[in-house]
Amino acid sequence: AQSVTQLDSQVPVFEEAPVELRCNYSSSVSVYLFWYVQYPNQGLQLLLKYLSGSTLVKGINGFEAEFNKSQTSFHLRKPSVHISDTAEYFCAVRDMDSNYQLIWGAGTKLIIKP
Amino acid sequence: GAGVSQTPSNKVTEKGKYVELRCDPISGHTALYWYRQSLGQGPEFLIYFQGTGAADDSGLPNDRFFAVRPEGSVSTLKIQRTERGDSAVYLCASSLWTGGDLTGELFFGEGSRLTVL
Repeated sequence: AQSVTQLDSQVPVFEEAPVELRCNYSSSVSVYLFWYVQYPNQGLQLLLKYLSGSTLVKGINGFEAEFNKSQTSFHLRKPSVHISDTAEYFCAVRDMDSNYQLIWGAGTKLIIKP
Repeated sequence: GAGVSQTPSNKVTEKGKYVELRCDPISGHTALYWYRQSLGQGPEFLIYFQGTGAADDSGLPNDRFFAVRPEGSVSTLKIQRTERGDSAVYLCASSLWTGGDLTGELFFGEGSRLTVL
């Protein structure tokens, strides 16, 4: 069965520094990949998604992610973070092995230090 | 409102009691999902509705959990004989469905935090 691993439960980073949030999934079958963000006291919202085509996907708020099939990874990056990026970020995968339901990682809290 | 609405936002109950959690999806969204999120974990799938029918209820943990969507809009998640282990945030999401489209975005509510004492 599909599983999603977000190795870092928290990532502290200084404001204006770059950041990478890691996501690995277990199954190598054809997948759809998503990153969602949850700001404090708000619901989850879609940041970006990979369906097919270019492996570099751009999302909202300056975030991007790169799909790497050989490493079964979908890491999220931003070249320069702001205080407003403080949130929890969730990686999710959808594939036929999971009956096309979204399988979620445990989340990574991005902590921006001034 | 424009987004997914969930009520109550917080519910504290005693072990053994019955609880109902309500979800009002975005108007026109035919797909509706319930997830459960425990502390330090990602959302865990419970059940998915397409219209009025439960298309996939494989995530419901046991027969104490039940969900309905009688008119294809508002949904209620019902938990009988609550246990302390049921304490979690229950998330509802909705999406447009265009027949076989698995790529659609889910729109989430803010969740209902259930605490079972």
